Amino acid sequence: DAKTTQPNSMESNEEEPVHLPCNHSTISGTDYIHWYRQLPSQGPEYVIHGLTSNVNNRMASLAIAEDRKSSTLILHRATLRDAAVYYCILSGSYSGGSNYKLTFGKGTLLTVNP
Amino acid sequence: KAGVTQTPRYLIKTRGQQVTLSCSPISGHRSVSWYQQTPGQGLQFLFEYFSETQRNKGNFPGRFSGRQFSNSRSEMNVSTLELGDSALYLCASSLGLGGRGEQYFGPGTRLTVT
Repeated sequence: DAKTTQPNSMESNEEEPVHLPCNHSTISGTDYIHWYRQLPSQGPEYVIHGLTSNVNNRMASLAIAEDRKSSTLILHRATLRDAAVYYCILSGSYSGGSNYKLTFGKGTLLTVNP
Repeated sequence: KAGVTQTPRYLIKTRGQQVTLSCSPISGHRSVSWYQQTPGQGLQFLFEYFSETQRNKGNFPGRFSGRQFSNSRSEMNVSTLELGDSALYLCASSLGLGGRGEQYFGPGTRLTVT
C-alpha cells in the first residue's frame, strides 16, 4: 500500500488559513487522495478527495502537486470547530483490480487557538 | 437523512467469547466498510461489502468476519475474542465502492475485552 507522511501536529489561530501538508512519494497513477478528519469521540468525517486536479468544496480546498507526490489541504478560515486529527489517505487498488480501499496513517493533530 | 448508525455503542466481553456488531448505512448506500481503531495501530481497514458481497479485505485473521444483507445493513462478527481486540469499531457507508468517493462514518462501537 502506498504510504503518506504528515506532520504529527500543527497549530493555527482562529480565522486564519491553515495549510496541512501530506507527502505521498510512492503514489501510483490510480490512487485517489482523500482527506478525512476526526473530532474527539466521533467517527471520521469526509473532507475532500481528488485524483489529479485541485478540488474545492464548502469545507476546504485540495491542492495536488503536478507530480502528485504531495498535496495540501487548505482550510480557508480556521474555526475552533476545525480542531481535529486530519488524515491524508491514498485509496489504492486492491490486488490490482478495480476495488479500492482506504489506508489511514497517523494523521495530523490540528490545534486552533482562539 | 439519517446518518450511519451502529449498535451497540458500548460492549464488554470476556476473552474467548464471540461478538456481533451491527451497522445500518445511510439509505441508498450500497457499500459498508468496517474499520478497527486502537491507540497503537490507528485506523485499520477490516473489510468492505457491496451488494452483499465482500469486495475488499484487510490484513486481519479469520476470526473477523462480516456479512451484508439485502437491505445493505451489515454485521461484523469476531470469534474467540482476545484482549487485543479491544478497540473502537467503526463502519462507514458510501454510494459506490468506498475507496473512490465519500465515506460516511458511524459513531462506532467501543468493545472492551476483559
